[in-house]
Amino acid sequence: DAGVIQSPRHEVTEMGQEVTLRCKPISGHNSLFWYRQTMMRGLELLIYFNNNVPIDDSGMPEDRFSAKMPNASFSTLKIQPSEPRDSAVYFCASSHYADREETQYFGPGTRLLVL
Amino acid sequence: SQQGEEDPQALSIQEGENATMNCSYKTSINNLQWYRQNSGRGLVHLILIRSNEREKHSGRLRVTLDTSKKSSSLLITASRAADTASYFCATDVGSSYKLIFGSGTRLLVRP
Repeated sequence: DAGVIQSPRHEVTEMGQEVTLRCKPISGHNSLFWYRQTMMRGLELLIYFNNNVPIDDSGMPEDRFSAKMPNASFSTLKIQPSEPRDSAVYFCASSHYADREETQYFGPGTRLLVL
Repeated sequence: SQQGEEDPQALSIQEGENATMNCSYKTSINNLQWYRQNSGRGLVHLILIRSNEREKHSGRLRVTLDTSKKSSSLLITASRAADTASYFCATDVGSSYKLIFGSGTRLLVRP
């Protein structure tokens, strides 16, 4: 298994531009999570999906952030317009939720820098 | 504030020594998990302990859980330079699908 795949691995953009981050979860997993990690705020859960349905998006910072999961093998996190304070490492994780024991498998992350 | 808080925030030890990290949490849990993050990488699951378990071992790792004190500890025995990483505890509070991660302990193992 290739694990969770994220693209791009690095993204440098200018303030105001649209940024789209992509994630392919592990095949057979039914939960998908988007996290953001910064030195100041640590690891923050932004949104998670179960069976492609958004369950909790209370961690999404503001309306500039949106996430979709059109099918079981693909999800996107979009920031429009981007701002310098969005600079962070964004992780996608997936899991197979069963028997209330949920181990999450993380992707390598996308390092985003907004100038 | 976060559910899990690790202590200490940073730990520096000599190779071969044991490393102990602690995690405190606030609400009842179904299970508690420990993850490791190497610099520039994603988190990797290490071990899960259920709320009805008190101790669990995996290789050089030993995890304890005290639900009465709402705390857990991770012990790494005979540490190696390759153990240098950040370690996070994460709690499954049960009614949702999500884990709540603590702030992490940065471990440096000096060769």
